[in-house]
Amino acid sequence: GAGVSQSPSNKVTEKGKDVELRCDPISGHTALYWYRQSLGQGLEFLIYFQGNSAPDKSGLPSDRFSAERTGGSVSTLTIQRTQQEDSAVYLCASSSRSAGTQYFGPGTRLTVL
Amino acid sequence: KQEVTQIPAALSVPEGENLVLNCSFTDSAIYNLQWFRQDPGKGLTSLLLIQSSQREQTSGRLNASLDKSSGRSTLYIAASQPGDSATYLCAVRPSSGGGADGLTFGKGTHLIIQP
Repeated sequence: GAGVSQSPSNKVTEKGKDVELRCDPISGHTALYWYRQSLGQGLEFLIYFQGNSAPDKSGLPSDRFSAERTGGSVSTLTIQRTQQEDSAVYLCASSSRSAGTQYFGPGTRLTVL
Repeated sequence: KQEVTQIPAALSVPEGENLVLNCSFTDSAIYNLQWFRQDPGKGLTSLLLIQSSQREQTSGRLNASLDKSSGRSTLYIAASQPGDSATYLCAVRPSSGGGADGLTFGKGTHLIIQP
């Protein structure tokens, strides 16, 4: 069946612009996660959704970052007023249940000029 | 704060050798540990998941062990092949309640299998 999909695959933006990244989880998966992978920091957890609620936002690096999930399916990660340090690969994962195996999408490579 | 360390950072071996990748974590209060592989420019592929109550998991030529009390896990790859070349990542999930569910990752071991 279809895996986790993310769009766009690549995004180049100018400093100060807002960007939206999209994640389509595996159908039926209730848990959804966002991570960021950058050269200096490795893979960092950003936020976790169970259904439409986000019980764990502890990884969001600043208030410029927000995420939502509607209908228990698609999620969007929004970064406002992008900065150069936001450049990274943003990965989304889903799981059939909390604490289950996480399946990752291919990621969105964000470059902020 | 949980920290995950992977040793070595990079490894290059001839095809056919058996090898061991190491992962250590500072907080033993974990729910499970997961090993992933990442190919260049791609997402992560889950290899094995070990629950905190388990000692090991096997899948084909891969065997992962977990010693929760000492904060260590190893990934054993038997009879390595060039197709095993990738970056291998270890990640732990906290056991605390309150909704925490994000994985903490190590920085990975970059593995090259020479034909």
